[in-house]
Amino acid sequence: GAVVSQHPSRVICKSGTSVKIECRSLDFQATTMFWYRQFPKQSLMLMATSNEGSKATYEQGVEKDKFLINHASLTLSTLTVTSAHPEDSSFYICSGWGGREQFFGPGTRLTVL
Amino acid sequence: QKEVEQNSGPLSVPEGAIASLNCTYSDRVSQSFFWYRQYSGKSPELIMSIYSNGDKEDGRFTAQLNKASQYVSLLIRDSQPSDSATYLCAVNTGNQFYFGTGTSLTVIP
Repeated sequence: GAVVSQHPSRVICKSGTSVKIECRSLDFQATTMFWYRQFPKQSLMLMATSNEGSKATYEQGVEKDKFLINHASLTLSTLTVTSAHPEDSSFYICSGWGGREQFFGPGTRLTVL
Repeated sequence: QKEVEQNSGPLSVPEGAIASLNCTYSDRVSQSFFWYRQYSGKSPELIMSIYSNGDKEDGRFTAQLNKASQYVSLLIRDSQPSDSATYLCAVNTGNQFYFGTGTSLTVIP
């Protein structure tokens, strides 16, 4: 299957700082990228959908000013968690869709102290 | 009603047996269907996709789709302990993806 990378794989930060997570589709052009969050032993929760060159569409209850998404090219999307707090600690996963199948990145584990 | 429904399990089968995972979906215009496997602490991995009615086989995995009944299933033959994971069913309606909450499978040695 197609490859999606995420960086960093793990990040620990202090409360109040901002964290940027990169998601890249390595061998296909992702017209749409999705950002998910998953808490321990819970199911995937879609946060937002982004199409290249346009504003992201956020799911209900997800603060767009806190979770900034940029999809600047067909191979790169970034998620910035601004002013992170301990309750933002979670497993963040991106995925890319090239028109048929959705492929997930390996995820970023964020811990906010 | 949820767009995609799965039995959360846990489902336990002995090693070597057939594991059967089921999924129903609500939107009749759904076009494509996927099964993902997610190991604990890891992200989901695509294992099967199916687009038309009938069976699709890939190694020990068989996906079955019945659009009239709005039902898709995954059979795992000769189950191995390494198959122990959560299996997610996903449906694409053309402009939206919907995921089920997953079925936890444990294969007992």
